[in-house]
Parts: sequence; structure tokens; C-alpha cells
Amino acid sequence: AQKITQTQPGMFVQEKEAVTLDCTYDTSDPSYGLFWYKQPSSGEMIFLIYQGSYDQQNATEGRYSLNFQKARKSANLVISASQLGDSAMYFCAMRSIIQGAQKLVFGQGTRLTINP
Amino acid sequence: DTGVSQDPRHKITKRGQNVTFRCDPISEHNRLYWYRQTLGQGPEFLTYFQNEAQLEKSRLLSDRFSAERPKGSFSTLEIQRTEQGDSAMYLCASSLGLRASKHNRAYEQYFGPGTRLTVT
Repeated sequence: AQKITQTQPGMFVQEKEAVTLDCTYDTSDPSYGLFWYKQPSSGEMIFLIYQGSYDQQNATEGRYSLNFQKARKSANLVISASQLGDSAMYFCAMRSIIQGAQKLVFGQGTRLTINP
Repeated sequence: DTGVSQDPRHKITKRGQNVTFRCDPISEHNRLYWYRQTLGQGPEFLTYFQNEAQLEKSRLLSDRFSAERPKGSFSTLEIQRTEQGDSAMYLCASSLGLRASKHNRAYEQYFGPGTRLTVT
């Protein structure tokens, strides 16, 4: 079975600072994908970044980067130069990359608050 | 707007009533997913369709729940004899049906705004 653990229920950061949101995972699948989603108060899940388990380099998307440490089974999200609009819930998720395995397994989330 | 849409956005119903939610995926996406999210938790997978075929159902999907995707386009999720424990946000997502690849982002599930159900 797959499991995602996010140990930070809440994070408070000053605007313009960098922030790291922690995510550890557990799976026995040899090939998998790791995702981060943002959920503002409106409720919609917004895709941020993806990392494949066999990707050689850490994924980056604008101000978002994923610090992937396969041996430690961690996939932390780094947000550089945080902005007030980054305040939201952030979810780490994973999916097995084998035929027929489609569901995303989510962690419990981290509520990020950016202070002006 | 070409994103995933869900209707209604909010639904308040009394215990024991039946409710039905609709999801319209992105038009070229042939995979459609339903998730449930309770307060303070991450979304939990309920079921998924490839075209009109329902290929996987979670154990969370009790006999009171049924989902359909009759023509491989929109989908409906019906809950019969609602219970207070059914109160949650019901999220729909869609994706392309291609092998996961970092370069074409076919792996990405695009989510709708959700339907918030309150059972009183």
C-alpha cells in the first residue's frame, strides 16, 4: 500500500522568504510519480509540480522546486520568494506508474500562511 | 473556460435523501476520477473511469454510492439515503489516457472546483 506523510500541519513564513514543505512517502512499487497540489480557500486543487521516481534531476516549475531524495523516500516542496498569494493548503500525493494504477494517494496537507 | 466543471457547487440535504452530482471533464480527457475530501484531510480516491468503463472502485464507495459515465463524457455520482458522515467535498478530476511522462504531462490530473455536500 502507498502512504504519504506530511508532518507539518501549519507553517508561517514571512513574505519573500523561501519555505520548505516536508513530504515522506512509502511504497513498494518500483516506479511511481510524486505530485504537489495547492488548494486555496476556494477549494480547487491546483497542480504545482511532478517528479518521476526515475527522473535524474529534481523537478522545477518557476518558483517551485521538488527536493527528491529517493533513498530517504522524501519529496519536499521548496517555494522560493514566497508571496501572499501562496497562502493555502498544500498536498503531497503519489501514484504508482504501472498499468491500471491511476489513483492519487494524498497526504493530510500543510496549511501555509504567508505574513506580510 | 475549458477546465473541469462540477455542478452543483454546494448542496445541503436532509439525512435519508438522495443526491446527484455532475462532473464535466476537459473535453479531450478520457480518464475521469472522483475523490472525497473531509474537513482537515487530503482527498481520498473513490472511483475512476476510462471512457465509459468504470475500472476501479475504492472500498470507501459503499452500496449507497453509484457513479456513471454513460457516453464517456460527463459523469454523475449519486448517493442514496445520505448519512451525516457523507458530508464532505466531492472532487472530480480528469486526465489524458497516455503513459505517464514528464514531458507531455499526461500524468497530470486536473481537478474541478468540487461539490460541497452538507447532510443535516
